[in-house]
Amino acid sequence: GAVVSQHPSRVICKSGTSVKIECRSLDFQATTMFWYRQFPKQSLMLMATSNEGSKATYEQGVEKDKFLINHASLTLSTLTVTSAHPEDSSFYICSAHRGETQYFGPGTRLLVL
Amino acid sequence: GENVEQHPSTLSVQEGDSAVIKCTYSDSASNYFPWYKQELGKGPQLIIDIRSNVGEKKDQRIAVTLNKTAKHFSLHITETQPEDSAVYFCAASTGNQFYFGTGTSLTVIP
Repeated sequence: GAVVSQHPSRVICKSGTSVKIECRSLDFQATTMFWYRQFPKQSLMLMATSNEGSKATYEQGVEKDKFLINHASLTLSTLTVTSAHPEDSSFYICSAHRGETQYFGPGTRLLVL
Repeated sequence: GENVEQHPSTLSVQEGDSAVIKCTYSDSASNYFPWYKQELGKGPQLIIDIRSNVGEKKDQRIAVTLNKTAKHFSLHITETQPEDSAVYFCAASTGNQFYFGTGTSLTVIP
């Protein structure tokens, strides 16, 4: 159990467009989900904590108007990268909190041209 | 806040040898310590975890030890196989907050 999915797995978009990434907990409910960004050969950088039914908590330096997070249900959180630019290209990973543990999704590779 | 340090950053071992990765943490309130394995292009996968009331836990070829007094914990992989090659992350948690180490890239040489 504890499976987390992400969609899409890979997306290429033009600069200035918005991209939505979905994170779903498939076999459990998650009040809290997390969004991370990972640069090549680096650790996980927490962007925000997504709480079902309330506003997300963003880490320092992360623009909340740029990275919109919605956690409308106990199994779905979405991250929308608005007006994407090449510097937003990265690997985005979500995780869902279950018990003491975080379970990660497979990640979404975003390339902004 | 919590600070988790992980060493080494890279590790190469011959197939069949053991690999050890070490992490230290700073916040004595941390009480849960998971280890994740991340293969290239994939999300991290939980491989083993340990709680602060336990000193050691083993699951087949993988074991984790925790020294609360010294605030360090280690991952031990025995009889390494090429499929163990990946990046491993340790983490320390006080509850809702997770603090990750910087990762160890393990290469198992056939």
